[in-house]
Amino acid sequence: AQKITQTQPGMFVQEKEAVTLDCTYDTSDQSYGLFWYKQPSSGEMIFLIYQGSYDEQNATEGRYSLNFQKARKSANLVISASQLGDSAMYFCATYTGTASKLTFGTGTRLQVTL
Amino acid sequence: ETGVTQTPRHLVMGMTNKKSLKCEQHLGHNAMYWYKQSAKKPLELMFVYSLEERVENNSVPSRFSPECPNSSHLFLHLHTLQPEDSALYLCASSPVRGASYGYTFGSGTRLTVV
Repeated sequence: AQKITQTQPGMFVQEKEAVTLDCTYDTSDQSYGLFWYKQPSSGEMIFLIYQGSYDEQNATEGRYSLNFQKARKSANLVISASQLGDSAMYFCATYTGTASKLTFGTGTRLQVTL
Repeated sequence: ETGVTQTPRHLVMGMTNKKSLKCEQHLGHNAMYWYKQSAKKPLELMFVYSLEERVENNSVPSRFSPECPNSSHLFLHLHTLQPEDSALYLCASSPVRGASYGYTFGSGTRLTVV
């Protein structure tokens, strides 16, 4: 079974600073996808960034980047220049052919302060 | 209207009531999903529909009954629920089942069972 671990239940960051949200995963599949989603208080899960297991370059999407360390099975999300609107829950997820579904971690609540 | 729309946004029901959650997508996707999100737990996949056929049921109690009359609509019928069923119920869709990307989520229905 796939397992995602997010060890930080809550994080604080000052506006305009960078923050790293941790994610480790456990899978025996060779091919898999890694995702980060943002969930604001409205409830909707918003896709942020994707990294394929065979991608050699770390994924980037605007202020979001994924620090992918395959050997350590780590896929940390880095948010640069934090904004107040970044305050939300953040979920790491994997997709494998074996599971054929998204498997989520427990999430990290990020609070951006002035 | 685009995206995935869920109604109602909030629902309070007694344990003897019968109610239904509705999900609608206008993305042309062929796969739809019900997830349950409880506090401090990972999202739990409940049901998967592909081309209106239920392809996965993850040991969900029979008091939850899904229905997919067409590829754009998904329902979750609820009856004789328990207080521990109180959670955020999220609907999602993807282009096809097995797609590793392209999941679009709704904003969820916040269910409280009293």
